[in-house]
Amino acid sequence: DAGVIQSPRHEVTEMGQEVTLRCKPISGHNSLFWYRQTMMRGLELLIYFNNNVPIDDSGMPEDRFSAKMPNASFSTLKIQPSEPRDSAVYFCASSLGKMNTEAFFGQGTRLTVV
Amino acid sequence: AQSVTQPDIHITVSEGASLELRCNYSYGATPYLFWYVQSPGQGLQLLLKYFSGDTLVQGIKGFEAEFKRSQSSFNLRKPSVHWSDAAEYFCALNAGNNRKLIWGLGTSLAVNP
Repeated sequence: DAGVIQSPRHEVTEMGQEVTLRCKPISGHNSLFWYRQTMMRGLELLIYFNNNVPIDDSGMPEDRFSAKMPNASFSTLKIQPSEPRDSAVYFCASSLGKMNTEAFFGQGTRLTVV
Repeated sequence: AQSVTQPDIHITVSEGASLELRCNYSYGATPYLFWYVQSPGQGLQLLLKYFSGDTLVQGIKGFEAEFKRSQSSFNLRKPSVHWSDAAEYFCALNAGNNRKLIWGLGTSLAVNP
């Protein structure tokens, strides 16, 4: 398996623009997680899905952020409108969804909002 | 409340020296514990995990960790550090019935030649 695939790897956008980050989890994994990593806050869980259903979105910073998982092999994280403070590395991870299984991470999307 | 503390923000060691990275957790029962490593510009990679049984867990890249219930700790060790071990190390726990991981803030490791 190719692992968790995220696209794009880098994104530079202007403030106010819509940004969509994409994730393809590992085949057979039924849990998917979106994380944001910054120097100030470290690694923050934004939202996670189980069997394509959002289970906990309490980490989503505000209404500008939304995430979808239309099927088991694809998820998106959208920011609209984007702001400079959204600049961060966004990671997607997937797992088998059991307590004793680890999460596998993608390589991340580095977002810069200017 | 469940939490993970990594007391050391940054550690510098010489190549060939031994390493211990500290991780303390707060949870009422036995947690599922993980150590991840993040190399610069990369995603996080699992080093090792503990669920039950032997409290000394072996991982990849020569790392090991020891679960100590009495100290609520899960410290990561390596007997001889290589320059390629320079990275950010994260401790995490999975507690309760959810699937979320609770993360420490990470320890940045620098290796001097």
